[in-house]
Amino acid sequence: NAGVTQTPKFRVLKTGQSMTLLCAQDMNHEYMYWYRQDPGMGLRLIHYSVGEGTTAKGEVPDGYNVSRLKKQNFLLGLESAAPSQTSVYFCASSYRTGGPPLHFGNGTRLTVT
Amino acid sequence: QQPVQSPQAVILREGEDAVINCSSSKALYSVHWYRQKHGEAPVFLMILLKGGEQKGHEKISASFNEKKQQSSLYLTASQLSYSGTYFCGTEPTGTASKLTFGTGTRLQVTL
Repeated sequence: NAGVTQTPKFRVLKTGQSMTLLCAQDMNHEYMYWYRQDPGMGLRLIHYSVGEGTTAKGEVPDGYNVSRLKKQNFLLGLESAAPSQTSVYFCASSYRTGGPPLHFGNGTRLTVT
Repeated sequence: QQPVQSPQAVILREGEDAVINCSSSKALYSVHWYRQKHGEAPVFLMILLKGGEQKGHEKISASFNEKKQQSSLYLTASQLSYSGTYFCGTEPTGTASKLTFGTGTRLQVTL
């Protein structure tokens, strides 16, 4: 099993460009999450999904959109990238809340110039 | 709101002990602990559910004081491999699905 796979691993964007980060999991997990990690800030929740077709806002949702059309995939979109969105993005999944651990992908390092 | 971790950083010699604390302003259902090596994804260590239980993972254990909304991670006889950044993640009561992480504690173990 691959677990949680994120693509791409690295990306450089210019201000105003758009892109989509893909997260795929093969563990049949219901819950999926997008976090961003910045120095000194820890992991901050952007958006999450409790099942196919559902999404919800986390702590820092502004400037991002998400979609969960298939259970195994969770997409994070940036419509108009800004330098403040330079960060490392982690996707995670879990089969339920209240106990099971989160399984993290290896991260996507995004730089917006 | 992110839980507060302390200390922010700690340097140990191999074999020494350390305690990392995590405090929340909200009533908690569960606390997760993860360790992240530089350039890698966070890796799960353990989960504690409300009830004050204590869990262990090799020489790493943790406690959860539900009333104080606090959790502590205990690293005993530290090894070089324990180096990394430790994060607590909290799941407040009534907000299922939202795991919020602290800002992390950087631990460095030296010879």
